Amino acid sequence: DVKVTQSSRYLVKRTGEKVFLECVQDMDHENMFWYRQDPGLGLRLIYFSYDVKMKEKGDIPEGYSVSREKKERFSLILESASTNQTSMYLCASSYGTTGQETQYFGPGTRLLVL
Amino acid sequence: EDQVTQSPEALRLQEGESSSLNCSYTVSGLRGLFWYRQDPGKGPEFLFTLYSAGEEKEKERLKATLTKKESFLHITAPKPEDSATYLCAVPIYNTDKLIFGTGTRLQVFP
Repeated sequence: DVKVTQSSRYLVKRTGEKVFLECVQDMDHENMFWYRQDPGLGLRLIYFSYDVKMKEKGDIPEGYSVSREKKERFSLILESASTNQTSMYLCASSYGTTGQETQYFGPGTRLLVL
Repeated sequence: EDQVTQSPEALRLQEGESSSLNCSYTVSGLRGLFWYRQDPGKGPEFLFTLYSAGEEKEKERLKATLTKKESFLHITAPKPEDSATYLCAVPIYNTDKLIFGTGTRLQVFP
């Protein structure tokens, strides 16, 4: 079974703090993704990575950065957290580059920025 | 512009009352359509992938179908444990990215 884990289920941070969200997958997938999910807006892609040290901006990259130093690990960084980054953050991974591969999701991290 | 629209936004059913959820899409060159189930506070759980018009897939009380313009998720004799948000998604042409609909929140009452 594919397993995608995220470092925290719940986080509470202060405005201006630097926040790290980590995601690990155990299926040797090439692709990894970070989404945020907000009521009424659905899942929106922040960044994705198709290989180690490779990254590509998604639809809403502003205020975020990512790091992929190892194939199994993909980190999302909020450089200076703001209240509008309060959200549910979801990591996903998929195998291959055909564009037809299933994305498997982690359990999510609910982030509250005060 | 690629787009995925799900309807209805919310659906309330009595236990045993069958119904269908709709996912309509406009994309360049469909290469598949994915259905997920999401429970409150959790990540989406993969259900089905459909690759071509006419294809059908089943899992317990769920059956997904695909046409050239839309997909249906049919729920037969639902139970309260089927209550969840159901999401559909399609790949964006020539990328590994998915575009998601905003989901249908299903509630099944005993």
